Amino acid sequence: AAGVIQSPRHLIKEKRETATLKCYPIPRHDTVYWYQQGPGQDPQFLISFYEKMQSDKGSIPDRFSAQQFSDYHSELNMSSLELGDSALYFCASSLGVRGLSGNTIYFGEGSWLTVV
Amino acid sequence: DAKTTQPPSMDCAEGRAANLPCNHSTISGNEYVYWYRQIHSQGPQYIIHGLKNNETNEMASLIITEDRKSSTLILPHATLRDTAVYYCILCNTGNQFYFGTGTSLTVIP
Repeated sequence: AAGVIQSPRHLIKEKRETATLKCYPIPRHDTVYWYQQGPGQDPQFLISFYEKMQSDKGSIPDRFSAQQFSDYHSELNMSSLELGDSALYFCASSLGVRGLSGNTIYFGEGSWLTVV
Repeated sequence: DAKTTQPPSMDCAEGRAANLPCNHSTISGNEYVYWYRQIHSQGPQYIIHGLKNNETNEMASLIITEDRKSSTLILPHATLRDTAVYYCILCNTGNQFYFGTGTSLTVIP
C-alpha cells in the first residue's frame, strides 16, 4: 500500500540558508501534519493542514512556513537556518473531516536536515 | 501539550507479554487513546487506538479502564523487533496530535 512519501531524505545546509521539504500524503488523504524531532527528543508538532487550509499550529518558528497544494502535497519552507534546526522532520497524513475523530495518522520516514 | 504520563523505560523478556501503562486522567469524553511506536529514527508506526472499549488487532491489545483515566498496551509475545519507544497519545480537537515522552521498551533475549 502507498505510504507517506517525503523528500529529500537527507539534506545538508549552511547557516542562514533556506531549505524546503516536501511531503506527499497517502492517496485520498486530505490532512497533512508536520513534526520536528531533534536529537534524543520526542516529535514536536509544528503545523497541520486540512483541505489546503492551515488547521492547527504548534511550535513552528516564525522562520518556517508551510502550505498544502491543490494535489494535497505539502511543503515546509525553512529560512535563515540555524544550527538548532538540525533535526528529523516527519510528515504525516490522515483522512477525514476536521479533527481526528478516531482516524489514523500515518507517518513518513522523515527528512534529515543537517545545518552546518 | 501532552496529557499523558508513561514510565520512561521498561524491560520485557522475549516471548513474554509486554504491558505498557499510560495515565491520562484529564481525558475528555471525545478523545481517543492512540498508541504509536518509534524504532530508532524511523517514522512513528501506528499500533492501535480506542475510545472506550478494549481493542485488539494483529499487533497488540488495548485495555482502557472504565473511567478512561488510564490504559494499557499489551504486546502478547514480545520479540526483539518490538524494542522501541512507545507513545500513548490523546487526540486533540482539531488536527493537533501531540507526542509525550513515551516509554522506551527493551526486549531482552
